Amino acid sequence: DVKVTQSSRYLVKRTGEKVFLECVQDMDHENMFWYRQDPGLGLRLIYFSYDVKMKEKGDIPEGYSVSREKKERFSLILESASTNQTSMYLCASSSVRQRQPQHFGDGTRLSIL
Amino acid sequence: AQSVTQLGSHVSVSEGALVLLRCNYSSSVPPYLFWYVQYPNQGLQLLLKYTSAATLVKGINDFEAEFKKSETSFHLTKPSAHMSDAAEYFCAVSDQGSGNTGKLIFGQGTTLQVKP
Repeated sequence: DVKVTQSSRYLVKRTGEKVFLECVQDMDHENMFWYRQDPGLGLRLIYFSYDVKMKEKGDIPEGYSVSREKKERFSLILESASTNQTSMYLCASSSVRQRQPQHFGDGTRLSIL
Repeated sequence: AQSVTQLGSHVSVSEGALVLLRCNYSSSVPPYLFWYVQYPNQGLQLLLKYTSAATLVKGINDFEAEFKKSETSFHLTKPSAHMSDAAEYFCAVSDQGSGNTGKLIFGQGTTLQVKP
């Protein structure tokens, strides 16, 4: 069965900290994605990756970076956390074959104090 | 450019009543369409997908959706709502301009409330 695992369900950090959110998938998927979800704004794509070491900016990349050193792992990095980055973060993966859906992790609820 | 519009950010039905969640899309090419459900404090779970094999698509938990090209719609229905169906529902379309990157374009979501 498909499995996308996010390292933390809840995380509390302080302003200015460097924050790492980790995501691992066990389906050998080529594509991986990071979204943030805020009330009234739906899902917004931060970054995505279509191959190891490859990454592309999504709609709201400012303040974030990503790393994909291995196919199964995609990390989201908040370089210097700010309170406006308090949000629900969702990771997803998908196969490169056409017509395939994205599979999501359970999300990380991040609070920046 | 492709887009997805979900009509109604909140829908309320009584238990046992028909559920109808509306989704309209715009696409210059035949779309791949998806419905996802999100229960509180969880990620998104795939309900069903349309990939051109059949216009009426059946999904999990008795949900189904009908692709209507003439109306550019992909509405989600369920004959009889259960309390456990209370959740947020997202319609999505494959971003056909992104090659094989698998990007999806999501609607804003519809929160379904089920009243006893």
